[in-house]
Amino acid sequence: DIQMTQSPASLSASLGETVTIECRASEDIYNGLAWYQQKPGKSPQLLIYNANSLHTGVPSRFSGSGSGTQYSLKINSLQSEDVASYFCQQYYNYPLTFGSGTKLEIK
Amino acid sequence: EVQLVETGGGLVRPGSSLKLSCATSGFTFSNTWMNWVRQAPGKGLEWVALIKDKYSNYEANYAESVKGRFTVSRDDSKSRVYLQMNTLRDQDTATYYCTRAFNYGYFFDYWGQGVMVTVSS
Repeated sequence: DIQMTQSPASLSASLGETVTIECRASEDIYNGLAWYQQKPGKSPQLLIYNANSLHTGVPSRFSGSGSGTQYSLKINSLQSEDVASYFCQQYYNYPLTFGSGTKLEIK
Repeated sequence: EVQLVETGGGLVRPGSSLKLSCATSGFTFSNTWMNWVRQAPGKGLEWVALIKDKYSNYEANYAESVKGRFTVSRDDSKSRVYLQMNTLRDQDTATYYCTRAFNYGYFFDYWGQGVMVTVSS
């Protein structure tokens, strides 16, 4: 199975700041990576797919990058509504696997 | 508007069975791949099962942790997907989400609200 190591586990930042969340795959996943946002008490929502493609309706302050085994999600100009947990997911191979999540809070 | 609504959750004893249902609307269900993803309380996400469409012969794939115990199925005439869960274990306790695969891919662009399954004696 492909292991997804996500960091940090938690993050506290100020409004307007830029934050970056990392995901490392245990092998090359050839950009088969998605990012999801899960707000407290809600279902996850797709943000990014194919490592860097922004899903329809997602604000442009979210962006994804990376290749090979290393990927990142960047959030520019942090807003209060960005308080959530963020998960990466690889879909290069079965079983589809997720990172352990990053909980983002406002300082 | 795309909608996914899961039902069928509840509290069951270890070793028992339960069948989840996901009613969908707002898209062409028959040529969409569907998945189940679960989340144990306070934990991360775990993919459970995928069922492809008729053009892929309804191919199904499972996480190793549920293979042989869970069965995913679909009824295109009702736009529903199901998850039959047998021989349930404490570790199966989770919120189960029905999810739509994006464009024949292996990631998920719509999620249901989730249904809780609690396995406990």
